[in-house]
Amino acid sequence: GDQVEQSPSALSLHEGTSSALRCNFTTTTRSVQWFRQNSRGSLINLFYLASGTKENGRLKSAFDSKELYSTLHIRDAQLEDSGTYFCAARVSGSALGRLHFGAGTQLIVIP
Amino acid sequence: EAAVTQSPRNKVAVTGGKVTLSCNQTNNHNNMYWYRQDTGHGLRLIHYSYGAGSTEKGDIPDGYKASRPSQENFSLILELATPSQTSVYFCASGDGGGRPEQYFGPGTRLTVL
Repeated sequence: GDQVEQSPSALSLHEGTSSALRCNFTTTTRSVQWFRQNSRGSLINLFYLASGTKENGRLKSAFDSKELYSTLHIRDAQLEDSGTYFCAARVSGSALGRLHFGAGTQLIVIP
Repeated sequence: EAAVTQSPRNKVAVTGGKVTLSCNQTNNHNNMYWYRQDTGHGLRLIHYSYGAGSTEKGDIPDGYKASRPSQENFSLILELATPSQTSVYFCASGDGGGRPEQYFGPGTRLTVL
């Protein structure tokens, strides 16, 4: 079944605004990775978290293993932030290193 | 930054034909993975490997074989390609332990006619 529920499925933001993407996990999760897929289809690593929060420029991510969710905050959105964002979970009980992906959030940043 | 390359980048095959997708990583990672991406499904795991000589089934292995002849190389083999295997295929590598992040190749777009 689906172990990673990602929302929203699509999002439009005006330049300069901020928003958050969310992943809910249906089972115990050891860590999460966030990726952005660009227009050429490449998957770009954004964050890896086993707990807590990480920040990189205008992006900030948090992972709460107890409450079974992770978030990705985008601050001051820019046109180059457009793309599809995926979270992927390492689920307890799964073979070492395996990732379970959410269905993605398609983000469009509007000038 | 970890380096994972895939070849070919694009492939058109005929139904019933054999297709081999290749992946190479220069990171000395133990683990390698093959995923496919279809609209609405994110990425789904097909096969993975813990090291040279090992292959394991992922979530959707039917119709696919894998081969890990060396630490650096991991191939995905479609012995009898079908149109339902038209997809974008991604290879990834990672260590799973001290460096658990996975790094992805650029993807291979496969069309089976």
